[in-house]
Order: sequence, then C-alpha cells, then structure tokens
Amino acid sequence: ETGVTQTPRHLVMGMTNKKSLKCEQHLGHNAMYWYKQSAKKPLELMFVYSLEERVENNSVPSRFSPECPNSSHLFLHLHTLQPEDSALYLCASSQDPQGNEQFFGPGTRLTVL
Amino acid sequence: AQSVSQHNHHVILSEAASLELGCNYSYGGTVNLFWYVQYPGQHLQLLLKYFSGDPLVKGIKGFEAEFIKSKFSFNLRKPSVQWSDTAEYFCAVTSPNTDKLIFGTGTRLQVFP
Repeated sequence: ETGVTQTPRHLVMGMTNKKSLKCEQHLGHNAMYWYKQSAKKPLELMFVYSLEERVENNSVPSRFSPECPNSSHLFLHLHTLQPEDSALYLCASSQDPQGNEQFFGPGTRLTVL
Repeated sequence: AQSVSQHNHHVILSEAASLELGCNYSYGGTVNLFWYVQYPGQHLQLLLKYFSGDPLVKGIKGFEAEFIKSKFSFNLRKPSVQWSDTAEYFCAVTSPNTDKLIFGTGTRLQVFP
C-alpha cells in the first residue's frame, strides 16, 4: 500500500465516547500533520510532528490528544467531544516540516452526536 | 500572520470554457505556493507547486498557475475545462523556514457537459 492511509473513514460517536483516529504513511517522510476541514472554512492545522516530536500545537482543545509513536504512524485520540467538532479530519505527511509539499490521506469523516 | 484569499467560492462553467481561479496571499518574504485539488469523495492531491524559477508553472491535467510577486498572487488557469475537472480547489502557501501550510477557503468548481 502506498501514500497516506487513514482509518476509520467514517466515525460516529457520542459526546462521552473515547475514540482514536489512525494515520499511516508509507512514503518515508519525517513530518506528519493533523488538519480539521469544516464546511466553508479553510483547512485548520491542528498538530505537527517532526521526527516523532510535536513541533506545533495550534491552540487545539485538550479533548484532542495526538500521539506519534514512530515516523510512520500518527494517532488522534478523541475524548468528550462536542457536536461542533464534527468535521473531516485529514492527516498529511511531508519529507520534512520546512515548507515542502504535503501528501494527504483520505480523511476521517467524524460526526459527534 | 500569513493568510490566503480565494475570491471565487463557487464557479460554474460549461465544458470547453476557460478557467481562472484567483489566489492572493499576505506574506512579504520568500514563499512556496501550491494548488491542491479535491475531487468528489477523494483526498486532497497536489495539482502544481511553485518554489522558485519560472513564475509560470505547469501542473497536471493541463492546469497552470502564474506567480506574480508584485501582486502577491498565484492564480490557477486552464484554457478549456472538462466535466472531470469538477472538484474543489485549494490554494496554499508556506515559507521555507516554517512548517505551516496556510490554506485558502477553497473554490468549488462545477463543470457541466
């Protein structure tokens, strides 16, 4: 399998649930990203990891918790989300975080009830 | 702070019409510029990019974009669109010394046969 993969593709959860989104990149990249895509808004950068270290946290609420166990895998742990958190969550990777092109996964469509 | 403006939110064209989508950014230093495309139900894909050199950049599927530094613009063009070009188009900018890829709000293009 090539590129950037994300699971699950769709997720429906209640506000009290705990769930995790998974991202895997098969490109040998060193940087990985989480974005939130909501209707009629620009893509919002949430987190950046470079060589498994978090280098950017864009004022994201603590109910979103990222984890990067190695350079190929990135998780987003979700806990006590709100309905306004419903969106498409995109994972991306790049060779390094210094201004290079990013390769995106298909996203996880999250609905919070 | 860096920002990207895409003036056209929704464009409707007939096949064979010419296309130009506007993109302006606010950043005074060296920039890297990108256009991404998101076809219905698919993930974001890179259409073309500009890092340096010839300001007229050729991309995939007959698309091109012109970087005009004095106007802080990076407009996307295609001389003759096809029905298969129906998608959402995102302009993005980053600088070589930052890990933030700043996206515009996107332009939804619908092409009718």
